[in-house]
Amino acid sequence: NAGVTQTPKFRVLKTGQSMTLLCAQDMNHEYMYWYRQDPGMGLRLIHYSVGEGTTAKGEVPDGYNVSRLKKQNFLLGLESAAPSQTSVYFCASSYWTGPYEQYFGPGTRLTVT
Amino acid sequence: KQEVTQIPAALSVPEGENLVLNCSFTDSAIYNLQWFRQDPGKGLTSLLLIQSSQREQTSGRLNASLDKSSGRSTLYIAASQPGDSATYLCAVRVQIQGAQKLVFGQGTRLTINP
Repeated sequence: NAGVTQTPKFRVLKTGQSMTLLCAQDMNHEYMYWYRQDPGMGLRLIHYSVGEGTTAKGEVPDGYNVSRLKKQNFLLGLESAAPSQTSVYFCASSYWTGPYEQYFGPGTRLTVT
Repeated sequence: KQEVTQIPAALSVPEGENLVLNCSFTDSAIYNLQWFRQDPGKGLTSLLLIQSSQREQTSGRLNASLDKSSGRSTLYIAASQPGDSATYLCAVRVQIQGAQKLVFGQGTRLTINP
């Protein structure tokens, strides 16, 4: 099993450009999550999904959109990137029943100039 | 609002020592607590998960305890090795706006000196 994978690993964007981050999991998990990690701020939840076709806002959703068209994939989109979105983005997944242990991907390092 | 605090932010100890990392949370209404390890430039690896009804969990040289009433958890690492050097994060699972979510501490950066 590959677990949770993320594409791309690194990306540099100019302000105003758009991009999509892809998360894939092969553990048949129902729940998927997108976090960002910033120095001094810890990990913060951006959006999450409790199943195919469903998404919900987390703690810091502004400037991001998500889609969960297939159970194994969770996409995070930035429509118009801003320097404040420079961060490391992590995807995670878990089963819908307890103990909800979350498994994380390796991260995507995004720089917006 | 649930807040998770990890003290100290950084810790450096010689190889072979036993050590304790601390995690505190402000609201005792948690479903579980999870300890993670993060190596530089990498993702998070789950180490231990303690259910709210449990007091401790053990895996190899690691032992995690949970005291819900006082809002504290500790991660005990026995006979530390240089390979244990990493950032350790704790997170509590709570109910927020009808959904269960993880709230993370900012981590303790651990360095084990040979």
